[in-house]
Amino acid sequence: SQKIEQNSEALNIQEGKTATLTCNYTNYSPAYLQWYRQDPGRGPVFLLLIRENEKEKRKERLKVTFDTTLKQSLFHITASQPADSATYLCALVITGTASKLTFGTGTRLQVTL
Amino acid sequence: DAGITQSPRHKVTETGTPVTLRCHQTENHRYMYWYRQDPGHGLRLIHYSYGVKDTDKGEVSDGYSVSRSKTEDFLLTLESATSSQTSVYFCAISAWDRAGGANVLTFGAGSRLTVL
Repeated sequence: SQKIEQNSEALNIQEGKTATLTCNYTNYSPAYLQWYRQDPGRGPVFLLLIRENEKEKRKERLKVTFDTTLKQSLFHITASQPADSATYLCALVITGTASKLTFGTGTRLQVTL
Repeated sequence: DAGITQSPRHKVTETGTPVTLRCHQTENHRYMYWYRQDPGHGLRLIHYSYGVKDTDKGEVSDGYSVSRSKTEDFLLTLESATSSQTSVYFCAISAWDRAGGANVLTFGAGSRLTVL
């Protein structure tokens, strides 16, 4: 069966360190993968996307990698700040699926001073 | 939330009653979606629409129906609410992201539904 797995345990890191979140998937051949941020009581907000033929994408302090052999995406936040504390969701898009996204359950990141 | 309004934001209802959640967008997007979010399950697609009167099922569509009579409004109806439909419901639209070169979702603020 198809599955998207994100670490359900919260990730606690110290301010200034790099946070790395993992998204693993099985039995999918995604056209691209997207990362969203969700704050409590709010809807998810799009951050970055990466295509199947791309290895890495960057946006300011954010970096996403995509390894279709390992079926894994890593999401990095460098120089993390308390304001980065949120839940981060990965989502897959399959080619020809009318932009229907399939989401992982998300990983909560807590950045402490 | 980028022109997406969900109503009501909170609702408590009893088992067996009908419930309608409304999603209104102001940006004329073609694709609209309804997701539910539950602990341990993440966001799951209920139904989506690709135009006026054009809708299709998602992975958890049982017990739900949708209608889209106008581009700007996408309604989600629970004909007879059950306790298992207690959840947070998110509406989303799909729009082109120029930087990424693909469609991405913009979500509403969510509607929290409690079925007693």
